[in-house]
Amino acid sequence: EVQLVESGGGLVQPGGSLRLSCAASGFTLSSHDMHWVRQAPGKGLEWVSSIDTSGNTYYPASVKGRFTISRENAKNSLYLQINSLRAGDTAVYYCVRVQGNAFDFWGQGTMVIVSS
Amino acid sequence: QSVLTQPPSASAAPGQKVTISCSGSSSNIGSYYVSWYQQLPRTAPKLLIYENNKRPSGIPDRFSGSKSGASATLGITGLQTGDEAAYYCLTWDSSLSALVFGGGTMLTVL
Repeated sequence: EVQLVESGGGLVQPGGSLRLSCAASGFTLSSHDMHWVRQAPGKGLEWVSSIDTSGNTYYPASVKGRFTISRENAKNSLYLQINSLRAGDTAVYYCVRVQGNAFDFWGQGTMVIVSS
Repeated sequence: QSVLTQPPSASAAPGQKVTISCSGSSSNIGSYYVSWYQQLPRTAPKLLIYENNKRPSGIPDRFSGSKSGASATLGITGLQTGDEAAYYCLTWDSSLSALVFGGGTMLTVL
């Protein structure tokens, strides 16, 4: 059974950093492109990063330079390092698997709250 | 504001049909595949339609997708109260070099 379990969210002060983790099971993470998508409270979905099977990484302009996606094949895990956190980063962060041309499996999400 | 425009809300009675539009441009929908996601309250999104009109296994044929030019449409027939959810379209935008979601449509089954 495919599972994606995010962790690492919490309350952090503006300017701080956080590292989100996504533990995958039921499939080999490195065989798929993987993404992080976030959703601010009461808002829509926003793509924030991806890593392809070759290890190439991609980001929208809105987070480039502050977000870093990575994976650890030995642990079958995906990570998202977020630096210089700001209030606008408050959101649920989802780890998402790609199959073909779609996001075929989503984790349950981890909540990040940026507040002093 | 998303580059993909969806109506904020839609509604229909149980058993009826509803369509949800996703309007874009030649740099996104007009050139790339569209996928659709259903997000039930307080849950993670779920894939409904991929590559414009294909359904993953387990998704009933009440759900359909289509694309024409720079617009895509999600259709749901035989509406059930369990279909009440937010629906999002997704595609690539070459001008932004980014994956983009539509703003989402909240479906109410009256």
